[in-house]
Amino acid sequence: EAQVTQNPRYLITVTGKKLTVTCSQNMNHEYMSWYRQDPGLGLRQIYYSMNVEVTDKGDVPEGYKVSRKEKRNFPLILESPSPNQTSLYFCASSLFGGSNQPQHFGDGTRLSIL
Amino acid sequence: AQSVSQHNHHVILSEAASLELGCNYSYGGTVNLFWYVQYPGQHLQLLLKYFSGDPLVKGIKGFEAEFIKSKFSFNLRKPSVQWSDTAEYFCAVTAPLSGSARQLTFGSGTQLTVLP
Repeated sequence: EAQVTQNPRYLITVTGKKLTVTCSQNMNHEYMSWYRQDPGLGLRQIYYSMNVEVTDKGDVPEGYKVSRKEKRNFPLILESPSPNQTSLYFCASSLFGGSNQPQHFGDGTRLSIL
Repeated sequence: AQSVSQHNHHVILSEAASLELGCNYSYGGTVNLFWYVQYPGQHLQLLLKYFSGDPLVKGIKGFEAEFIKSKFSFNLRKPSVQWSDTAEYFCAVTAPLSGSARQLTFGSGTQLTVLP
């Protein structure tokens, strides 16, 4: 089954404790992206990757890191999480990075930073 | 950069009522437009998309949307809603010829509640 898989689905942690949210897709998609969803703000893009070893900042990259060493994986790293990063996070992928490509979304990761 | 406005934050309807959710974007050039739906506790799913051609596009589950270029709008419609349509709906846009061509910009979403 074609899917985007995120782990963990839920995480409660404390300020400053490094964490990684994994994202994996099994569709051989070149483009992957991370979003955060906050009430009243919709989804805002954090980082995206057009292909392996190619990443770029989205609208809200501060406090986040990503890497794309393999085509299928695109982990999101919070080196020193802070409470304002409490949010619902979605990973997405599409076949190519073109603007006419609909994106496939993961089930989301709800992070709470205390 | 492009932006998207969804002015209806929460819409409450009874079953069988007609639905229209507003979406306006701000970008003067060529755009690609999408509507996504997020059912409670689930991920976003594509409802429909517009790239070019017929400005009236039909999507899944009886939804349709009309692209009106002169109004910078891409409103979502459904003639008769069902309880199962309760969800949050997001309009999104890309601008293929702009500097941010690779980014999908979302509106803030509209929560639709359908009463049985």
